Amino acid sequence: QSALTQPRSVSGSPGQSVTISCTGTSSDVGGYNYVSWYQQHPGKAPKLMIYDVSKRPSGVPDRFSGSKSGNTASLTISGLQAEDEADYYCCSYAGSYPWVFGGGTKLTVL
Amino acid sequence: QVQLVESGGGLVKPGGSLRLSCAASGFTFSDYYMSWIRQAPGKGLEWVSYISSSGSTIYYADSVKGRFTISRDNAKNSLYLQMNSLRAEDTAVYYCARAHITMIEDWGQGTLVTVSS
Repeated sequence: QSALTQPRSVSGSPGQSVTISCTGTSSDVGGYNYVSWYQQHPGKAPKLMIYDVSKRPSGVPDRFSGSKSGNTASLTISGLQAEDEADYYCCSYAGSYPWVFGGGTKLTVL
Repeated sequence: QVQLVESGGGLVKPGGSLRLSCAASGFTFSDYYMSWIRQAPGKGLEWVSYISSSGSTIYYADSVKGRFTISRDNAKNSLYLQMNSLRAEDTAVYYCARAHITMIEDWGQGTLVTVSS
């Protein structure tokens, strides 16, 4: 099972919006509406930000949103804040495997 | 609130064994799938193993199949990972996670496993 493809890094200024893409195949991202996104600050455990493509857990700001088109999922962060600077990982359900992660994207808030 | 506390990590020689434990609290442990996920130093996340709520369904990543064994004790609210024939490439922070079949909901703080001679 190959890892999902994410850009190595993205950046944006405070108040701007950024989008992180996550490309898979019809066996994972394209085959199920079960993409999740995780935020990880340095030295910390990952935190669930988005699940089932576009749902937000309780407590996650509505500045974070998710979407999917075909084999590519996206995480959009609007109104960037300094504390959003972190690594972001996508993850997709992949049937019997059962999960595959993306390689991670480093978000820099300029 | 949900708490997942890993223990058992440390330094081990190649070919050696280690048993990780995860103590869970703040939720009905027996209702949830559980998983181990690892992160090599400076690298991304890699799913390692997964066990259903009853323990009847278990999956392993190809990289650990035949060497690692996941188990759980619902009476003790505990998850385990027995790691045998350890290799240098198994060096990572190992996270215990509360899961649904389609996502990972909560993560512990992790325990570091270092495989080195």
